[in-house]
Amino acid sequence: EDQVTQSPEALRLQEGESSSLNCSYTVSGLRGLFWYRQDPGKGPEFLFTLYSAGEEKEKERLKATLTKKESFLHITAPKPEDSATYLCAVAYYGNNRLAFGKGNQVVVIP
Amino acid sequence: DTGVSQDPRHKITKRGQNVTFRCDPISEHNRLYWYRQTLGQGPEFLTYFQNEAQLEKSRLLSDRFSAERPKGSFSTLEIQRTEQGDSAMYLCASSPVGAAEPQHFGDGTRLSIL
Repeated sequence: EDQVTQSPEALRLQEGESSSLNCSYTVSGLRGLFWYRQDPGKGPEFLFTLYSAGEEKEKERLKATLTKKESFLHITAPKPEDSATYLCAVAYYGNNRLAFGKGNQVVVIP
Repeated sequence: DTGVSQDPRHKITKRGQNVTFRCDPISEHNRLYWYRQTLGQGPEFLTYFQNEAQLEKSRLLSDRFSAERPKGSFSTLEIQRTEQGDSAMYLCASSPVGAAEPQHFGDGTRLSIL
């Protein structure tokens, strides 16, 4: 059973059209939830860590939020340079590995 | 800015050959991780070191795979008798010791098996 599920798998946005990406996870024993950005042919680039429900983090046009069962990555007024795959990953108590979702592939059209 | 460095960036080899990849972590990071990523999927955990000790291994890591971190600095991942299914991006990450510290990734080694 997948521990991390991301939706939608792919998203096309007009420049300036705000949207949200969803990451749902197996609740029990969550130690931290991470958002990464990945460009083609590159490794994941760290964006945010969220540790507890109600927490929010912001960076430029991106804002990550966490509830007890899911996280959202809000993209406000996106630009073409925001086009990338956004990966959600969770760390659970008892081990040090990250469990990743399949990613949200975002394309922003000028 | 010295991030995680991986070498080589690309490797093409014939089925049945052995390959070795190298990872140099961020210098002050004690923890080092290997992941594998195939097209359209998120990275999958392979193994993890704290200093020179290999503390976790995924069941994905068959006996053809071996990883070392001899002096607690750089790490190598070797795949013996490569198979078509080994074609993937192999990613290395590092982090400091601490509860749920973020892992920082290199740009990976892309392995193609002919």
